[in-house]
Amino acid sequence: ETGVTQSPTHLIKTRGQQVTLRCSSQSGHNTVSWYQQALGQGPQFIFQYYREEENGRGNFPPRFSGLQFPNYSSELNVNALELDDSALYLCASSSFSARWEQFFGPGTRLTVL
Amino acid sequence: ELKVEQNPLFLSMQEGKNYTIYCNYSTTSDRLYWYRQDPGKSLESLFVLLSNGAVKQEGRLMASLDTKARLSTLHITAAVHDLSATYFCAVKGDQGAQKLVFGQGTRLTINP
Repeated sequence: ETGVTQSPTHLIKTRGQQVTLRCSSQSGHNTVSWYQQALGQGPQFIFQYYREEENGRGNFPPRFSGLQFPNYSSELNVNALELDDSALYLCASSSFSARWEQFFGPGTRLTVL
Repeated sequence: ELKVEQNPLFLSMQEGKNYTIYCNYSTTSDRLYWYRQDPGKSLESLFVLLSNGAVKQEGRLMASLDTKARLSTLHITAAVHDLSATYFCAVKGDQGAQKLVFGQGTRLTINP
């Protein structure tokens, strides 16, 4: 059974640029959630995708957007990057059969200069 | 809006001692999670607590849940250096999405 994977591991961007982060869910999981974890803070829920549809969103502006593909992998896109977007971005997958427990990937460390 | 608070936020303790981390949450939820995070790493699931009075133990860690008090505890027995990490509790939100609301984390340092 393959766990949750994310790419890239690290990324450096400049303010105003756009970025795409990728996540492959654990085998058999059809739900992907994205979280932003700023340094020294707990993760904050960005949004969740279930069967290719957005299924809940946290307090993040529209420049944070996402997609889920038929194989349940997902992308997080952030436009017009700001310095405060520097964080660890975590993806988690889950499913009904796993009682909705969320299994986290290794994360992508984004630095915005 | 669901809020989750942990205390203490920082904890420095000696090996061999016992201590407890507290997690309070503001609205009813049907599940609570404890995670461990090492520096620069992702979240490692420790416990899932699903019902009032639930108690789970793994090695030197024991977690419990009191849904009436909206309180969970993570108890560390006879701490060892390898338990040094940041510990988060997370509560499932009351929306339809399986959203987790995290506490601020407790940074635990265990000194020899």
